Amino acid sequence: AQTVTQSQPEMSVQEAETVTLSCTYDTSESDYYLFWYKQPPSRQMILVIRQEAYKQQNATENRFSVNFQKAAKSFSLKISDSQLGDAAMYFCAYRRRQGGSEKLVFGKGTKLTVNP
Amino acid sequence: DGGITQSPKYLFRKEGQNVTLSCEQNLNHDAMYWYRQDPGQGLRLIYYSQIVNDFQKGDIAEGYSVSREKKESFPLTVTSAQKNPTAFYLCASTRDRRETQYFGPGTRLLVL
Repeated sequence: AQTVTQSQPEMSVQEAETVTLSCTYDTSESDYYLFWYKQPPSRQMILVIRQEAYKQQNATENRFSVNFQKAAKSFSLKISDSQLGDAAMYFCAYRRRQGGSEKLVFGKGTKLTVNP
Repeated sequence: DGGITQSPKYLFRKEGQNVTLSCEQNLNHDAMYWYRQDPGQGLRLIYYSQIVNDFQKGDIAEGYSVSREKKESFPLTVTSAQKNPTAFYLCASTRDRRETQYFGPGTRLLVL
């Protein structure tokens, strides 16, 4: 069974500093997608970044980038120049195939606090 | 504006009562999903639908039911058989099953 593990329940960072959130996953598939979602206090889930497993290049979206280590099944999120608005729960997700459909499996999340 | 709407924002259920959560999207997405989120947990899949008039159970479907009569709408009914319904419910949609899922703002369900 595919699982997603986020080993850091909580993290904190100073404004303007860099922080890295960890995620590992377990799968026997070779072609899959990985995602980081942000859930601010409003509780709306917002896509931060996604990575296709077949791409060796790490995805980047402005201040957000990933370190994708396929062999190690690791998918960490780096937030550079942290801003107060980055404070939120961050969820790592793996998209699995089951019965001809694609489903998301989520980790339990990391709560990020940004200190001014 | 295109997007996903969920209503109501808060919903209260009495013991033995069925309640229905609404999810509507105007993105012309084919696939729609319902997730449940409990405190300190990630999201868990309840039901999903890839096409009108068709839906499948997710990982925690017991005590829930859905319908998909229109492409835009995917309502979720929390039945009296669901003994622990208090949670945050999120609806999502995607253009096709291989695309990124986008989420609505959620409904918080509380039991009186």
